[in-house]
Amino acid sequence: AQSVSQHNHHVILSEAASLELGCNYSYGGTVNLFWYVQYPGQHLQLLLKYFSGDPLVKGIKGFEAEFIKSKFSFNLRKPSVQWSDTAEYFCAVKTNAGKSTFGDGTTLTVKP
Amino acid sequence: DAGVIQSPRHEVTEMGQEVTLRCKPISGHDYLFWYRQTMMRGLELLIYFNNNVPIDDSGMPEDRFSAKMPNASFSTLKIQPSEPRDSAVYFCASSSFATRGVTGELFFGEGSRLTVL
Repeated sequence: AQSVSQHNHHVILSEAASLELGCNYSYGGTVNLFWYVQYPGQHLQLLLKYFSGDPLVKGIKGFEAEFIKSKFSFNLRKPSVQWSDTAEYFCAVKTNAGKSTFGDGTTLTVKP
Repeated sequence: DAGVIQSPRHEVTEMGQEVTLRCKPISGHDYLFWYRQTMMRGLELLIYFNNNVPIDDSGMPEDRFSAKMPNASFSTLKIQPSEPRDSAVYFCASSSFATRGVTGELFFGEGSRLTVL
């Protein structure tokens, strides 16, 4: 069974700082990879996704993620965070079986 | 498209009562998922359906929980009897399988916040 590990449970940054959230997964087959964001009091929304092709994917609001197959990683990055990026971020892996497995989430707090 | 629709948005009930949560997936999606989110346990997959058939219900906590999908446009999650530890936000999500460039991302509903007193 696949699993997803997010290394940081809570990250606190000041505005304009750079962000990198780690995500590793365990699954030997073909995967689709996702980052979802959950703003306070809201439901999860898709931030970006990797399906195939260029391993560097760009999402909304200046976020990007790089798929490194050899490391089973899909880390999320943003060069300069804003206060409005305060949210919980979830990495997810979807296999051909259709099931999506989520990491435990990382809470990002951006101080103004 | 209206997105995934869940009801009720909020429910407060007393221990021992039956709770029924409802979900209408996005039209054309053939996968439906029920998740539970709490501070302690994060986001947990309870059960998911493919073409109205339950595929994996290993995340359902116990026999008090049951889920049905009688047709492609409706699913229910029932808790009977409810207990305080069931208090959580329950999310329904739908997706289509990854074909023809569709990547199978999940579309979440707004969630049903359940409080069991």
